[in-house]
Amino acid sequence: SQQGEEDPQALSIQEGENATMNCSYKTSINNLQWYRQNSGRGLVHLILIRSNEREKHSGRLRVTLDTSKKSSSLLITASRAADTASYFCATDNPGAGSYQLTFGKGTKLSVIP
Amino acid sequence: NAGVTQTPKFQVLKTGQSMTLQCAQDMNHEYMSWYRQDPGMGLRLIHYSVGAGITDQGEVPNGYNVSRSTTEDFPLRLLSAAPSQTSVYFCASSYSTGGKLFFGSGTQLSVL
Repeated sequence: SQQGEEDPQALSIQEGENATMNCSYKTSINNLQWYRQNSGRGLVHLILIRSNEREKHSGRLRVTLDTSKKSSSLLITASRAADTASYFCATDNPGAGSYQLTFGKGTKLSVIP
Repeated sequence: NAGVTQTPKFQVLKTGQSMTLQCAQDMNHEYMSWYRQDPGMGLRLIHYSVGAGITDQGEVPNGYNVSRSTTEDFPLRLLSAAPSQTSVYFCASSYSTGGKLFFGSGTQLSVL
């Protein structure tokens, strides 16, 4: 069963705007990861945030984690057409003895030039 | 480094046929896994391995078999293909369980 769930399912913005995607999960985690998938390609790792971290940055990406609300957000600033892709969050489930990553269904981002 | 290599990229099977999807990585990763991706379902874990000789089931293992005789290779076998196995299959590897995953480019499988 899926642990993480992204919101919104789809997002369309103009180039230069910021894009925010959210991920909610159900149980305690060790870490939460975000991945990007361009159409027809494999997933590419973007960022990993550990359960004891609240915020992490990587270039134009900013990820926050709120373990009390069991939620995370991915912010892409100054979006570009090349950011058009699907974005997935992935979590483990150590409480159930599972360290395997479970993926959500993804947010499909379209950046209009 | 080639990373994670999957073959074939496309495959069409008839119901009841068997086949093996190949996956190889050259990063000396202990952890390897297979996911399937269906529209609207995200990625679901089929099988995984934490090292040579060790495999375990994921969320959707039925109809699939795996083995891990070397660190580099982790083939996925479809024993008797069914239309429900039409999907895109991804192999992924990592230094450790729960760590950053490196994905292959995928195999698009159609079962008629």
